Amino acid sequence: SQTIHQWPATLVQPVGSPLSLECTVEGTSNPNLYWYRQAAGRGLQLLFYSVGIGQISSEVPQNLSASRPQDRQFILSSKKLLLSDSGFYLCAWRGRGGTGELFFGEGSRLTVL
Amino acid sequence: AQSVTQLGSHVSVSEGALVLLRCNYSSSVPPYLFWYVQYPNQGLQLLLKYTTGATLVKGINGFEAEFKKSETSFHLTKPSAHMSDAAEYFCAVSDRAGGGNKLTFGTGTQLKVEL
Repeated sequence: SQTIHQWPATLVQPVGSPLSLECTVEGTSNPNLYWYRQAAGRGLQLLFYSVGIGQISSEVPQNLSASRPQDRQFILSSKKLLLSDSGFYLCAWRGRGGTGELFFGEGSRLTVL
Repeated sequence: AQSVTQLGSHVSVSEGALVLLRCNYSSSVPPYLFWYVQYPNQGLQLLLKYTTGATLVKGINGFEAEFKKSETSFHLTKPSAHMSDAAEYFCAVSDRAGGGNKLTFGTGTQLKVEL
């Protein structure tokens, strides 16, 4: 069966510090991968998605970036965090074809102080 | 472009009462539709989905939803609420063409269940 792992689960970082959130998927190959952010009262915002290694689509201009160095690994990064980067970050995957449902990780809570 | 509207950011029901969470969508092509549930500090879990065929779909935990094309709606219901149903619920739509690459989510409805 397929599983998705995200870490760290909780992170408290000062403004201006770097960020790296990691997500890996097991039990499938060549998945589409996604990063969403959930800010209080604002629903889910798609940040990035990837349909293959090295292929990243950005949905929202911001100081975050994403990379996909391996087929089942998706990394969310920032060189300098802003207060507004605080939120709950969710990684998700979906298989090729199918009906489009996403399968989510457990999330990473980021607090920027 | 697709969009999803969830009416009511907060819904409160009594335990044992009917749960009705509303979702309307906008899509230029026949959509795939989904409901997800999120418990505090957890990821989203798929409750149910509509793709093709029967318009009344059943999901986990006793929930069901009906796709009504004429009303562009996909409301979520459960006959009898349980305390464990308290969570946030998200409706989502995907472009059916090629399965689509993205889900568009509504802003969510927080369900509170009272004794």
